[in-house]
Amino acid sequence: QSALTQPASVSGSPGQSITISCTGTSNDVGAYNYVSWYQQHPGEAPQLMIFDVTSRPSGVSDRFSGSKSGNTASLTISGLQAEDEADYYCTSYTTTTTWVFGGGTKLTVL
Amino acid sequence: QVQLVQSGAEVQKPGASVKVSCKASGYTFSTFYMHWVRQAPGQGLEWMGRINPTGDATDYAQKFQGRVTVTRDTPASTVYMELRSLRSEDTAVYYCVRDGHHWNFDYWGQGTLVTVSS
Repeated sequence: QSALTQPASVSGSPGQSITISCTGTSNDVGAYNYVSWYQQHPGEAPQLMIFDVTSRPSGVSDRFSGSKSGNTASLTISGLQAEDEADYYCTSYTTTTTWVFGGGTKLTVL
Repeated sequence: QVQLVQSGAEVQKPGASVKVSCKASGYTFSTFYMHWVRQAPGQGLEWMGRINPTGDATDYAQKFQGRVTVTRDTPASTVYMELRSLRSEDTAVYYCVRDGHHWNFDYWGQGTLVTVSS
């Protein structure tokens, strides 16, 4: 199972919006609505930000939103804040009853 | 509150095995799947495998098939991950993770650093 494809890095200024893409195949992202997104600050464990493509766990800011079209899922962060600077990972359940992660995207808030 | 507390850091020699534990609290352990995810230094996340709530079914990433075993002890609310035939590329932080009933990873342990070095 190949890793999902994410851009290595994205950047934005405070207050702006950014979108991180996550491209898979018809055997993972395109097969189910089981795409989730994780935020990881240096030295910390990842934190769930989005699940089931578009749902937010309680406590996660509504500045974070998710979407999917075909084999590509996306995470959008609006109203960028300094605290959003982190690594972001997507993951998807697959048709072989396994999970696959994206390679990760480093978000820099300028 | 949900807590996943993992065992401490390990240093192992190539060819050896390691078994990492993860004790859960704050929820009904017997009703949730549990996963293991690892992260090599400076690298991304990698899914390794999972175990069902009753402990009688597992799924593993093809990459680790035959080398990893995930088990659970329900009375002790603890899940284990054993990785055998260790090599230097297995040096990583290993996380136990709860599956939040939506095929996602809603709670993470603090991570256990496993270093493989001669």
